[in-house]
Amino acid sequence: AQKITQTQPGMFVQEKEAVTLDCTYDTSDPSYGLFWYKQPSSGEMIFLIYQGSYDQQNATEGRYSLNFQKARKSANLVISASQLGDSAMYFCAMSYYTGNQFYFGTGTSLTVIP
Amino acid sequence: SQTIHQWPATLVQPVGSPLSLECTVEGTSNPNLYWYRQAAGRGLQLLFYSVGIGQISSEVPQNLSASRPQDRQFILSSKKLLLSDSGFYLCAWSGTSNQPQHFGDGTRLSIL
Repeated sequence: AQKITQTQPGMFVQEKEAVTLDCTYDTSDPSYGLFWYKQPSSGEMIFLIYQGSYDQQNATEGRYSLNFQKARKSANLVISASQLGDSAMYFCAMSYYTGNQFYFGTGTSLTVIP
Repeated sequence: SQTIHQWPATLVQPVGSPLSLECTVEGTSNPNLYWYRQAAGRGLQLLFYSVGIGQISSEVPQNLSASRPQDRQFILSSKKLLLSDSGFYLCAWSGTSNQPQHFGDGTRLSIL
């Protein structure tokens, strides 16, 4: 069964606007972590932000924030003040505190329009 | 600081030839190591992961194999490549569970 679902294959956003990339997950284990990665066209996977399942506050890293809604099992990435360099694929991922595997979503392609 | 090196960056191989992709990590000890494959425009498929020297877990049955001869070295191999082995291969490491994975720059493998 798919553990991570990203329902938006492609998104467009105007430069300097904010954009939300959706991610939902499926688990009955209470102890897990959620991650977002950025993959530019060059291919490297860049870690952006992390949210633990027991964290009380939503994670923030610069222009990135994670809208964590535990009851809804969603972990949406919010990018504020979009820049042209934000154009890339974005992947949501999950791992368990007691495990070694990561489960990745299928990704969302973000295009920032000047 | 920790770094991960993966090579080569690009590789073109004929069908039926062998394969060896190498990944090394610096600046940490006993990392968890991972090999992923990514088809064009698709997500990441976990191929193998390792929690220690000689310990390999395979996620997808295929004609690829992995080895971890040293603590910070992870090798992806094949005796005979198939056309379907084409793709973008990424190596990654992480510390203890629930820490981010950090990726190498990837290898673009084309099979002719």
